[in-house]
Amino acid sequence: GNSVTQMEGPVTLSEEAFLTINCTYTATGYPSLFWYVQYPGEGLQLLLKATKADDKGSNKGFEATYRKETTSFHLEKGSVQVSDSAVYFCALSAGVSGNTPLVFGKGTRLSVIA
Amino acid sequence: GAGVSQSPSNKVTEKGKDVELRCDPISGHTALYWYRQSLGQGLEFLIYFQGNSAPDKSGLPSDRFSAERTGGSVSTLTIQRTQQEDSAVYLCASSLGGTATEKLFFGSGTQLSVL
Repeated sequence: GNSVTQMEGPVTLSEEAFLTINCTYTATGYPSLFWYVQYPGEGLQLLLKATKADDKGSNKGFEATYRKETTSFHLEKGSVQVSDSAVYFCALSAGVSGNTPLVFGKGTRLSVIA
Repeated sequence: GAGVSQSPSNKVTEKGKDVELRCDPISGHTALYWYRQSLGQGLEFLIYFQGNSAPDKSGLPSDRFSAERTGGSVSTLTIQRTQQEDSAVYLCASSLGGTATEKLFFGSGTQLSVL
């Protein structure tokens, strides 16, 4: 079946440090890949996505590249800020039409300290 | 409405009682999803509604869990004879057409505590 594995947290970084959160997936066919973020006290929201191999999703300084050869979608940011402290979820959706509920990883909590 | 609305935001109940959780999706969204978020377990898919199609119930953990969506809009998740392991945050999400590439819009969730 479809599944997502992401690195366990928590991850604690100093402000301006480089961030990588690893995500690998198992899926039949050609899934779409997503990163969702949950800021403290807020609901989940889409951070970025990529819908085919070699696509790069980017938003708010975060990037992730869809690597079919390594079945990965690692999240990176060159210089984190305190406001990036949140829980990050990698997710996939398989199929090209309906009946495609997202499959999520377990989440990685990031804490950025000043 | 402006976003996905869930109620109540918090629910405390006693073991063995039934509870109903409500989700009001974004107007015009045909797809509606229920997830459960437990500590250390990430988001667990429960059930998915797409238009007038039969719902995908493959994620429901037991027959104590059921959901309906009336008129293609509001959805209610019902948990009968609640157990302590049902304690979690129940999240509802909607999307415009339910396709694989679409963005999901999440509500703020219902925190369920079973004593």
